[in-house]
Amino acid sequence: SQTIHQWPATLVQPVGSPLSLECTVEGTSNPNLYWYRQAAGRGLQLLFYSVGIGQISSEVPQNLSASRPQDRQFILSSKKLLLSDSGFYLCAWSATAQETQYFGPGTRLLVL
Amino acid sequence: RKEVEQDPGPFNVPEGATVAFNCTYSNSASQSFFWYRQDCRKEPKLLMSVYSSGNEDGRFTAQLNRASQYISLLIRDSKLSDSATYLCVVNIGGNTPLVFGKGTRLSVIA
Repeated sequence: SQTIHQWPATLVQPVGSPLSLECTVEGTSNPNLYWYRQAAGRGLQLLFYSVGIGQISSEVPQNLSASRPQDRQFILSSKKLLLSDSGFYLCAWSATAQETQYFGPGTRLLVL
Repeated sequence: RKEVEQDPGPFNVPEGATVAFNCTYSNSASQSFFWYRQDCRKEPKLLMSVYSSGNEDGRFTAQLNRASQYISLLIRDSKLSDSATYLCVVNIGGNTPLVFGKGTRLSVIA
């Protein structure tokens, strides 16, 4: 069966510090991968999605970037965090764009 | 017009009540539809897919109305454990990722 991992679960970072969040998927090949952010009490905001290694689509221009160095690994990065980057970051995978997405447990980021 | 719209709620209902949520979508070419459930401070999880003929899973019933471009979720005999945010999700076609509504919050009260 497929599983999706995210770490860390919680992160507290100072403004201006770098960020690296990792997501890995097991039990499937060539998944579509997604990064979302959810601010407190708000809906899901799609940040990036990837249909294959090295293929990244950005939905929202901001100080975040994403990379997919391996088939089942998706990384979200920032060189300098802003206060507004605080939120709940969720990684998800799907077999195709039209099929169900399955979410990881998320990383709760607090930028101070 | 937003691609997927939901009443944010909250819906506060007593245990045992029947509650219904609606969700409208703007793209008539949308192909597939889902309801997700998100508990507080947790990730969203698939509750059920929505089929053209409507489908039922225990106390939950999902309906699709293509003519009016809305989907619905009916919860019968509400339980305290049904308290969560319910997300309407639509595939608008092609290789575009699924579009998530902002969710409807349900609180079931004893």
